[in-house]
Amino acid sequence: DIVMTQSPSSLAVSAGDKVTMSCKSSQSLFSSEYQGNYLSWFQQKPGQSPKLLISLASTRETGVPDRFIGSGSGTDFTLTINSVQAEDLAVYYCEQYYSYPLTFGSGTKLEIK
Amino acid sequence: EVQLVESGGGLVQPGRSLKLSCVASGFTFNNYWMTWIRQAPGKGLEWVASITNTGGSTYYPDSVKGRFTISRDNAKSTLYLQMNSLRSEDTATYYCTRWEDWGQGVMVTVSS
Repeated sequence: DIVMTQSPSSLAVSAGDKVTMSCKSSQSLFSSEYQGNYLSWFQQKPGQSPKLLISLASTRETGVPDRFIGSGSGTDFTLTINSVQAEDLAVYYCEQYYSYPLTFGSGTKLEIK
Repeated sequence: EVQLVESGGGLVQPGRSLKLSCVASGFTFNNYWMTWIRQAPGKGLEWVASITNTGGSTYYPDSVKGRFTISRDNAKSTLYLQMNSLRSEDTATYYCTRWEDWGQGVMVTVSS
C-alpha cells in the first residue's frame, strides 16, 4: 500500500499569510503513461463534506480560488495557499489514486489566528 | 446542480447488516465511476469502495473486502453499499462521491 504522510499536522496563521503544507508518498505517483502525478488535495471545513480542490497534483477544480496552488512530482507534493482567508479554516487532505488501495494522508489542520 | 443524497444509516449491532443508498442527480450518472469514503468520528478519510461506470468492476481495501459490496443501478441513478458482518470499527460517516462532488454523508454506528 502507498503510505501518504502529511506535515505539519496543524498550523495557525494570520489572515493574509502564505501557507505551505507538505504531502509525501511512499512510492512515486507519476504515471509515465499518462504523464501526470496521481495526487489530489481535498479541503474539509468544519461540519462539511470534503471538497476536491486540486487533482493531478496541480490542476485546480473549477471555482477554486487561484490562491490555492498545488505543486510537486514523484513522491513530494505541496499545497500552498497564498494570502490565507478566514474562510480557509479547514483540514486539508492529500490522496493518491495511482494504485489501489486508494490512500489518504492524515490531514493538516489549518487554524486562523 | 449536482446532488448526491445518501440514506440508510443508523445504529446497528455488531455482526448485523446495513445497506446504504446514494441517489444522484444533476449529471449523467452512468458516465462516472463512483466511490464510498468513510470518516470515523474525529478521524481522517478512508476509502471504502469504488465501482466503474458500468458496474462491471469493483474495488475494495482489505479492511472491508468480503464484508462490503458496492453496486449501482444506472436506471435509477443510485449507488449502493451493502455492509455485512459489521464491526465497531466500521462506525463512521459514509460519503458517496464522484470525487468532484460529495454527498452530505450518512452516519453508521455499530454498537451493542
